[in-house]
Amino acid sequence: DAGITQSPRHKVTETGTPVTLRCHQTENHRYMYWYRQDPGHGLRLIHYSYGVKDTDKGEVSDGYSVSRSKTEDFLLTLESATSSQTSVYFCAISEYADNEQFFGPGTRLTVL
Amino acid sequence: GENVEQHPSTLSVQEGDSAVIKCTYSDSASNYFPWYKQELGKGPQLIIDIRSNVGEKKDQRIAVTLNKTAKHFSLHITETQPEDSAVYFCAASLTGGTSCGKLTFGQGTILTVHP
Repeated sequence: DAGITQSPRHKVTETGTPVTLRCHQTENHRYMYWYRQDPGHGLRLIHYSYGVKDTDKGEVSDGYSVSRSKTEDFLLTLESATSSQTSVYFCAISEYADNEQFFGPGTRLTVL
Repeated sequence: GENVEQHPSTLSVQEGDSAVIKCTYSDSASNYFPWYKQELGKGPQLIIDIRSNVGEKKDQRIAVTLNKTAKHFSLHITETQPEDSAVYFCAASLTGGTSCGKLTFGQGTILTVHP
């Protein structure tokens, strides 16, 4: 398995609080992605990174921000969590843009 | 942007039968089509992929076909086994240039293989 970990694995928080999810990789892959998974929607891209400090928006980026200060870590921040952000969040990594993406184990986030 | 539709949403088969899952995409420029399998409580895992310069690709019991003209691609699983039970996702992407490998996923198919 590709060396990807996500933390925390589960989190329950209240509306309006800030939340940060962490993705850590040991593969030294250039590309990193954050997806959310909701029933009936498959996986939707939130933000992605194509290098240290290089990030861009995906399909559903509103309400989320990201940062990548080093190759191995990609952080996803919900500045003020809302109930609509209750979801399972997956991080993925890829060595090249047109190669296989390897997914982490996911973080289940519940916003009450 | 790209839109990927996947059917059926659920599929139930008997062990040993074949299973077929179909996807259509909207952006004719898409050129990379992976299929992922997701088991309960885990992240998706790539099982097979196909690029636009190829019409069909096979890997043991799994095959994928691509029709670029019609903009659809399909996953075929033969001789299904109970361990094939999972959620399957198709995806489409435009690779090359500054695309950065952004995947657009279908909605998923829950495959159940009955012993």
